[in-house]
Amino acid sequence: DTEVTQTPKHLVMGMTNKKSLKCEQHMGHRAMYWYKQKAKKPPELMFVYSYEKLSINESVPSRFSPECPNSSLLNLHLHALQPEDSALYLCASSQAAGQSYGYTFGSGTRLTVV
Amino acid sequence: TQLLEQSPQFLSIQEGENLTVYCNSSSVFSSLQWYRQEPGEGPVLLVTVVTGGEVKKLKRLTFQFGDARKDSSLHITAAQPGDTGLYLCAGADGANNLFFGTGTRLTVIP
Repeated sequence: DTEVTQTPKHLVMGMTNKKSLKCEQHMGHRAMYWYKQKAKKPPELMFVYSYEKLSINESVPSRFSPECPNSSLLNLHLHALQPEDSALYLCASSQAAGQSYGYTFGSGTRLTVV
Repeated sequence: TQLLEQSPQFLSIQEGENLTVYCNSSSVFSSLQWYRQEPGEGPVLLVTVVTGGEVKKLKRLTFQFGDARKDSSLHITAAQPGDTGLYLCAGADGANNLFFGTGTRLTVIP
């Protein structure tokens, strides 16, 4: 299995809703990442997990809450989002942090906040 | 956050032409990666370059990492419509955290 699987593919949520994005990989990768990509912009790093521990939070608002239950799963919990949070949310994994390994990206979750 | 500037931002060429995309930064990176992204999909890794001055070839694509490990280029020979997409360079810091460039949107016209 050489894929990163993200669910759901599309999500529409109201500003008072609570939802979660899920990401799964079975490649044995020990580093996992969340990126946010706005239309016509490059992906921006949000969170980094290395060996299931949060190692980087790139000044992301607390309405985004990451969770890494085990080495294969990564969640992003969403609460009280704003319309400007609408974007493509990408999950990625790499063999390990601290080495020059390429990333494997999922296809993303297209989030719309109404 | 490291800043990587790509040029050109947009490129539209005829099938069979050659092109070069540049990725420049004032920061030094432990590695430089190139990705291609299609609409509605995540980026797909094309290559990773690690050593200053390194050149890697992937069929019609040639990647070069600058001697000082601050910049990189992607050269495509005899472009084909299947090469159409968003090309992203990404620099990795010492912890392999990736920071993406501004992107080059390539359209190859048949």
